[in-house]
Amino acid sequence: GAVVSQHPSRVICKSGTSVKIECRSLDFQATTMFWYRQFPKQSLMLMATSNEGSKATYEQGVEKDKFLINHASLTLSTLTVTSAHPEDSSFYICSARDRASGGQETQYFGPGTRLLVL
Amino acid sequence: KQEVTQIPAALSVPEGENLVLNCSFTDSAIYNLQWFRQDPGKGLTSLLLIQSSQREQTSGRLNASLDKSSGRSTLYIAASQPGDSATYLCAVRPGGGKSTFGDGTTLTVKP
Repeated sequence: GAVVSQHPSRVICKSGTSVKIECRSLDFQATTMFWYRQFPKQSLMLMATSNEGSKATYEQGVEKDKFLINHASLTLSTLTVTSAHPEDSSFYICSARDRASGGQETQYFGPGTRLLVL
Repeated sequence: KQEVTQIPAALSVPEGENLVLNCSFTDSAIYNLQWFRQDPGKGLTSLLLIQSSQREQTSGRLNASLDKSSGRSTLYIAASQPGDSATYLCAVRPGGGKSTFGDGTTLTVKP
């Protein structure tokens, strides 16, 4: 099946720094990628929808200036957490929709990135 | 707005038991429903995907059913094993592509 990778898998940073997380579709083209955040013992919450070549659509309550999303190609989307603070510590998961899946519109999920802000 | 509820929130069973996890959703206009497994600190592992036109899917000891009219899906696990211990999430997708996740059921299978 299709594979979505995320890099890094785990990152620890100091408060105030920026962290970039990459999401790649390895063997398919993804016109749409989704970014989710998951706090401990909670379910995944959609942060934003990223469309290739256009601005991301952010969910209510998600600061677009803090969570910068770039979807520059059909296989790569990046999430940059700017000026990270301890409350941004979370598990970030991306998913990608296979462009060629036609009517199936299957989504594939990445393995997640655990961010810890000290 | 779609709401997804999973019951129970936690379940503990002895090894070998058959069990059912429940997922209910409020808007029946879905494109598909997917069950995932999540181990502590890990990402999602897709278990079964049911398209809106399907009634069930099976993979090994797992069977997932979908009843759109009643807004329900069940995940049946046969002959449970300690290795099945994890959190099980269901996710519902409308045609627009944004999945809504339930809060999950944390399963513990005791040896």
